[in-house]
Amino acid sequence: NAGVTQTPKFRVLKTGQSMTLLCAQDMNHEYMYWYRQDPGMGLRLIHYSVGEGTTAKGEVPDGYNVSRLKKQNFLLGLESAAPSQTSVYFCASSYGLRTGLGDTQYFGPGTRLTVL
Amino acid sequence: AQSVTQPDIHITVSEGASLELRCNYSYGATPYLFWYVQSPGQGLQLLLKYFSGDTLVQGIKGFEAEFKRSQSSFNLRKPSVHWSDAAEYFCAVEVNNQGGKLIFGQGTELSVKP
Repeated sequence: NAGVTQTPKFRVLKTGQSMTLLCAQDMNHEYMYWYRQDPGMGLRLIHYSVGEGTTAKGEVPDGYNVSRLKKQNFLLGLESAAPSQTSVYFCASSYGLRTGLGDTQYFGPGTRLTVL
Repeated sequence: AQSVTQPDIHITVSEGASLELRCNYSYGATPYLFWYVQSPGQGLQLLLKYFSGDTLVQGIKGFEAEFKRSQSSFNLRKPSVHWSDAAEYFCAVEVNNQGGKLIFGQGTELSVKP
């Protein structure tokens, strides 16, 4: 099992450009998450999904969109990148217990994005 | 609103010494608490979690944590630190009934002196 994989690992964008980050998991997990990590701020949830075809906003959703067309994939889109979106982005997935309580999240290796 | 505070941004300990990383949470209901570790350039890995029962929980790599409701704390401990424990440690609380959402603390970076 590859676990959670993220593509690409690094990316540099110019302000206003768009891009899509891909997250894939091979554990048949129901729930998937996108976080951003900034120095001194821990991880903050951008968007999440509790199943194929469903998405929901997290703490910091502005400027991002997501899609979960297939159970194993969760895409994060930046339509018009801004320097404030320079960050390390992590995807995670979890089995998705019925109540979503106490479930372990499995993280990908991260994508380092720089917006100039 | 739920929140997690890790008061120590950076801690340095000598190899073989004991370790305690502090975590305080603010949450109205019974908390579901986690400790994750992040090695340099890597994603996060679960060390341990608490959601009921015995307030002292054991995790991987020789770590343990104690839940103290009266102090709203979930501190991580290890009796003897190894150089390979140098990493960043995150405490998190799960938000009930919201798809497993986690609120993370700011993280504590651990350095280990030889």
